[in-house]
Amino acid sequence: GAVVSQHPSWVICKSGTSVKIECRSLDFQATTMFWYRQFPKQSLMLMATSNEGSKATYEQGVEKDKFLINHASLTLSTLTVTSAHPEDSSFYICSASPGPPGEQYFGPGTRLTVT
Amino acid sequence: QQPVQSPQAVILREGEDAVINCSSSKALYSVHWYRQKHGEAPVFLMILLKGGEQKGHEKISASFNEKKQQSSLYLTASQLSYSGTYFCGASTSGTYKYIFGTGTRLKVLA
Repeated sequence: GAVVSQHPSWVICKSGTSVKIECRSLDFQATTMFWYRQFPKQSLMLMATSNEGSKATYEQGVEKDKFLINHASLTLSTLTVTSAHPEDSSFYICSASPGPPGEQYFGPGTRLTVT
Repeated sequence: QQPVQSPQAVILREGEDAVINCSSSKALYSVHWYRQKHGEAPVFLMILLKGGEQKGHEKISASFNEKKQQSSLYLTASQLSYSGTYFCGASTSGTYKYIFGTGTRLKVLA
């Protein structure tokens, strides 16, 4: 149980284009979903917290207009990287929490490369 | 502020024990522990809630000392499969939002 999928696994796009990443909880309803970014050999940096039906809460320094998050249902959240640039290249990971006590289950991640 | 983990890296031989510490500059409400293997997503190990509890899962256990604002992960009789990077995730607000620690790279040799 507690499986989270992410799509796509990897994506290469040209600078200036937008990329959408989907995160789905497959066997549970996720009251809260999280989006992280991870650079090589570094820790996970929380980008935003997303609750179904409400606006996402972004961490300090994360541009909300650049990283659009939509939590359309209790099993789906999407992250859209708009007008992507090479510096946006990274490993993006989502996680979903089914509720108390708040453990998070991670998706397999999406490796984004912007050329 | 990001919790600090120590040590940064450790190498063990199979069967040896290890302790990984996670220290926060803020009061902790709860702590998660995760293991991440190279190129993969983190895998949830356990959660510890406020109250100074200790939990165990097979040969992996953890403690949470809210007064010291720290948690420790204990790996006993390590196995090759324990290799990976361990992260603590700390909640300081009682919400489900967790800030991940700096990470500890652990390698177990045969």
